[in-house]
Amino acid sequence: DSGVTQTPKHLITATGQRVTLRCSPRSGDLSVYWYQQSLDQGLQFLIQYYNGEERAKGNILERFSAQQFPDLHSELNLSSLELGDSALYFCASSPSGRYFNEQFFGPGTRLTVL
Amino acid sequence: KNEVEQSPQNLTAQEGEFITINCSYSVGISALHWLQQHPGGGIVSLFMLSSGKKKHGRLIATINIQEKHSSLHITASHPRDSAVYICAALTIIQGAQKLVFGQGTRLTINP
Repeated sequence: DSGVTQTPKHLITATGQRVTLRCSPRSGDLSVYWYQQSLDQGLQFLIQYYNGEERAKGNILERFSAQQFPDLHSELNLSSLELGDSALYFCASSPSGRYFNEQFFGPGTRLTVL
Repeated sequence: KNEVEQSPQNLTAQEGEFITINCSYSVGISALHWLQQHPGGGIVSLFMLSSGKKKHGRLIATINIQEKHSSLHITASHPRDSAVYICAALTIIQGAQKLVFGQGTRLTINP
């Protein structure tokens, strides 16, 4: 158990809908990272938050947004869902946003868009 | 060409064999992660290293910064080692760290 929690574990929804994925980092970790793992693209970095502020952006679509709250949990919002958004979404946390910090992964949320 | 390349993509071996998975990267890195993903999907961080060698149980990871290459070795492999192994380069972009992933190596250890 990494200490990172994600809810829900599974999510099934329809095209055009909007969903929110939640992540609670390990106690004391200030950084949260979101990743998408699809069958054809593998693991991709989406976005990082550090102590409430966006720190780095990866291949995140404009239909997706994220935020980190004062209690350091984070939410990833996916809107206008398409079939291709079906994937495993992982969050990870680390003590800080900078150098040589190992990241600890949550169990993931499996999103299925029908 | 991907920034992080792994080989082989698939590896099947018999229990007890010595396993080597390779990772080459073209980006500048501050460290390299080795991750393990089990069939259930969960990801576990095995190692993070920036130089030399690290060992944990039957797992050994090495990195050669000059050659931009890392290897993950498993000694006395066991069926429970069957998983996808992913290397990820930790790069620093504008002061923030970002992981760039290899495509993964699917390892199957037969009893």
